[in-house]
Parts: sequence; structure tokens; C-alpha cells
Amino acid sequence: DSGVTQTPKHLITATGQRVTLRCSPRSGDLSVYWYQQSLDQGLQFLIQYYNGEERAKGNILERFSAQQFPDLHSELNLSSLELGDSALYFCASSKPAGGITDTQYFGPGTRLTVL
Amino acid sequence: AQSVTQLGSHVSVSEGALVLLRCNYSSSVPPYLFWYVQYPNQGLQLLLKYTSAATLVKGINGFEAEFKKSETSFHLTKPSAHMSDAAEYFCAVSEGFGNEKLTFGTGTRLTIIP
Repeated sequence: DSGVTQTPKHLITATGQRVTLRCSPRSGDLSVYWYQQSLDQGLQFLIQYYNGEERAKGNILERFSAQQFPDLHSELNLSSLELGDSALYFCASSKPAGGITDTQYFGPGTRLTVL
Repeated sequence: AQSVTQLGSHVSVSEGALVLLRCNYSSSVPPYLFWYVQYPNQGLQLLLKYTSAATLVKGINGFEAEFKKSETSFHLTKPSAHMSDAAEYFCAVSEGFGNEKLTFGTGTRLTIIP
């Protein structure tokens, strides 16, 4: 158990819909990362938040957005869903980097199926 | 830009045999390198990481990896494979502080033959 929790575990929805994925980081971790794992794209970085602020952006679609709340949990919002958005979405957390990259601890993931 | 190449999407070894999973990286700055393991229907678990302290890095479950700058490689090894090692293994690179995102390779599925 990494200490990172993600809900829900599974999500099945239809095209055009909107969903919200939730992540609670490990106690004390200020950074939250979102990654997408799909068969055709592999594991891809989407976005990082650090202490409530967006810190880095990767291959995140405009239909996707994220935020980190004052209690440090994060939500990833996916809208206008397409079949190709079906994937496993991982959240990871780490302590503040202090010159040496801290380990990112991954949650169990949310499996999104778009029908 | 940074990237990782994992040679061999599938590797099969006999139980008790040497495990060797290959990873080559590309980075414009001194890299931080990681190996993660993913068991079926689970998240990613860190096996080991290289952060420039020592070129030979020991990780969990008997795995180790050696950073070779001249070969831009960070291959993962284990002297004796166990059935429980069957999983998917991902090599990843990060540029470190200020750019901590992980760039992953495509993964290697390790099968252990009894």
C-alpha cells in the first residue's frame, strides 16, 4: 500500500459525458501528479500540482482539467469524453523536491471505460 | 527532451535464471532514473532509483541496476528469477528538481517459466 488513494476504482460512462477522478496524496506530500496509461499511448504524464499550484503540464487535452485543493487532495476532470479516453488514470504524490528528485508513489489507479 | 527506450516488450526466463531487462535513456541534463514494477490490476511500485549518488543501485526484491553514462543505459538485473517476479517493468527518467515529471518507457512484460 503506497498511501496514495484514488476513487473510484472503476468508472463506466458514455461518450460526451463528464467525470471526476479523485486522488488523496500520502500524508505530508505536497506534489500530486496525474498519469494516463493506455494500450496505444503507454504511460504518459498529464499534469503536476504542487501545494495547490499548477507546476507542470504534459500531454493533457483541453477537455481535461485538474486542481489541487487546500487539503492537498486533487481532482482530474474529464469532459466531452471520447472512446479513446478509456484508460487507466494514475495519481502519484511526492514530497517537495529538495535538489534530489523525491520518489513518486503511485495510487492503484482509476480504470475509465467510455462506451 | 528526455526519453527512454526499453528493448524487448516481452522477456521470458526460467525460474532461477538471471533476469536482465534493458533500458536506454536520452536526456539533455544529468538524469534521474527509475525502475517501477506493475503487477496485474495494481499501481506502480518503485523498485529502485538512481540519483547520482552511486552508479550501482540496489532495490527491493533482489533487483539492482547499474548506471552507465557512456552507454546511456540503466539495465535492471536480478541473479535468480522467482515466480513472483512475473509482472510488467517500466523504466523512467526525470530531469529532477524543477522538472520532476516521469517519462516512461513502453514497458517489458516479464514471464517466469517454471
